[in-house]
Amino acid sequence: AQTVTQSQPEMSVQEAETVTLSCTYDTSESDYYLFWYKQPPSRQMILVIRQEAYKQQNATENRFSVNFQKAAKSFSLKISDSQLGDAAMYFCAYRETQGGSEKLVFGKGMKLTVNP
Amino acid sequence: DAGITQSPRHKVTETGTPVTLRCHQTENHRYMYWYRQDPGHGLRLIHYSYGVKDTDKGEVSDGYSVSRSKTEDFLLTLESATSSQTSVYFCAISESSGESNTEAFFGQGTRLTVV
Repeated sequence: AQTVTQSQPEMSVQEAETVTLSCTYDTSESDYYLFWYKQPPSRQMILVIRQEAYKQQNATENRFSVNFQKAAKSFSLKISDSQLGDAAMYFCAYRETQGGSEKLVFGKGMKLTVNP
Repeated sequence: DAGITQSPRHKVTETGTPVTLRCHQTENHRYMYWYRQDPGHGLRLIHYSYGVKDTDKGEVSDGYSVSRSKTEDFLLTLESATSSQTSVYFCAISESSGESNTEAFFGQGTRLTVV
């Protein structure tokens, strides 16, 4: 079964600094999607960034970028120029694409605090 | 915002009673998921559906059942509620990965308390 591991339950960063959130996953598939979602105190789940496994180029979305290492099954999120609004729970997620069922599984999450 | 609504938003129920949570979508997305969120456990998949009448178990399916008789509705039933099922429940929807948008959209969550 596919699993997603976020080993750091909490992190903090100073405003305007850079922080990297780690995620590893386990799969035997060659094609899949990876995601980072953000959950602020409102509980709303917000997509931050996605990565397709067959694409070698790392995805970027403004201040957010990923370091996707397929062989190592690692998918870290880098937040540059951290802002107070980045404070939230961050979840790494894996979505299978084969077999028709397309299960979507999440890690345990990591709480990010941004200090002014 | 994606058209996905969960009902009820809050519920308190007694141990041993059956409870049904509803997820309704207006997006005609193929995939629907039920998760529970608990501190220290993140979002854990309970059941998911990949089409009408097509469902499969997730990692924490014991004590839960689901039904999807039409595309827009995905029901989660706690057959006999227990205190360990006190949690926040999220529904999510998504298109097929072959479509252009693979993003999962989430409902607002349902806070269920079993006393």
